[in-house]
Amino acid sequence: DTEVTQTPKHLVMGMTNKKSLKCEQHMGHRAMYWYKQKAKKPPELMFVYSYEKLSINESVPSRFSPECPNSSLLNLHLHALQPEDSALYLCASSQDLTSGRSGANVLTFGAGSRLTVL
Amino acid sequence: SQQGEEDPQALSIQEGENATMNCSYKTSINNLQWYRQNSGRGLVHLILIRSNEREKHSGRLRVTLDTSKKSSSLLITASRAADTASYFCATDKAAGNKLTFGGGTRVLVKP
Repeated sequence: DTEVTQTPKHLVMGMTNKKSLKCEQHMGHRAMYWYKQKAKKPPELMFVYSYEKLSINESVPSRFSPECPNSSLLNLHLHALQPEDSALYLCASSQDLTSGRSGANVLTFGAGSRLTVL
Repeated sequence: SQQGEEDPQALSIQEGENATMNCSYKTSINNLQWYRQNSGRGLVHLILIRSNEREKHSGRLRVTLDTSKKSSSLLITASRAADTASYFCATDKAAGNKLTFGGGTRVLVKP
C-alpha cells in the first residue's frame, strides 16, 4: 500500500463552523505533513509531525489545529476560518530522518482536500 | 521567502518536443527533488538528485545540478500530452524534515 488517503475531497464551511480534515497512511512512515496550496502557487509547509510529535509549526494561525492520534493518522482541525483560508490542503508522509538513518526526505502526497470558506 | 525559483513559469510545446525547466535556490542543500502535480491533485515525486551528484536520469527525465550556481534543470524528452502538469523543484536542507518548494513551471503539451 503506497497511498496517502485524504478525506473529505471537498469541504465547504462557514466562518463559524468547526470541521476537520483527515489523512491516513499505511506505509510505516514516521513523518507526516500538512501543506497549504493556493491556486497557481507552490505548496507551503504548515506542520510536520515526527514520531507522532509536532516538530515544525510554520507560524500557522491557531484557527488551524493539527493532531496526530497515531503513526498512521493525521488530522487538521479547523475553527473560525477566514475566506482567505480557502485552498487545497495537502497531506504528505515520509520516512523520518531524525533517527540518523541515511536517505533523502521523499514525500508521498495525498490527493488533497479542497476547502472553501464562505 | 521561497528557497527555489523556477523558470519559465509556463511552457507550451507540441507532443514529441523536449521540455526544459530550471530551478534556482538560495542556500546550501542536502538534495534537490522534482515533483509533478496534475491540476488540483497531489504531488508525485519524480526524481531526486543529491548535492554530490551532477546528473541523473530516469526514463524520459534528465536532471542536472550545479551547486556552484545553485541551480538545477529538468528535461523531459519526447513529451506526451500526459506530461501536461505543473512541475516543482524542492530542496531539502541538512536539517531534514522540511522540504521547501519552488514556484513551479506549468507545462502544456499539445497533441
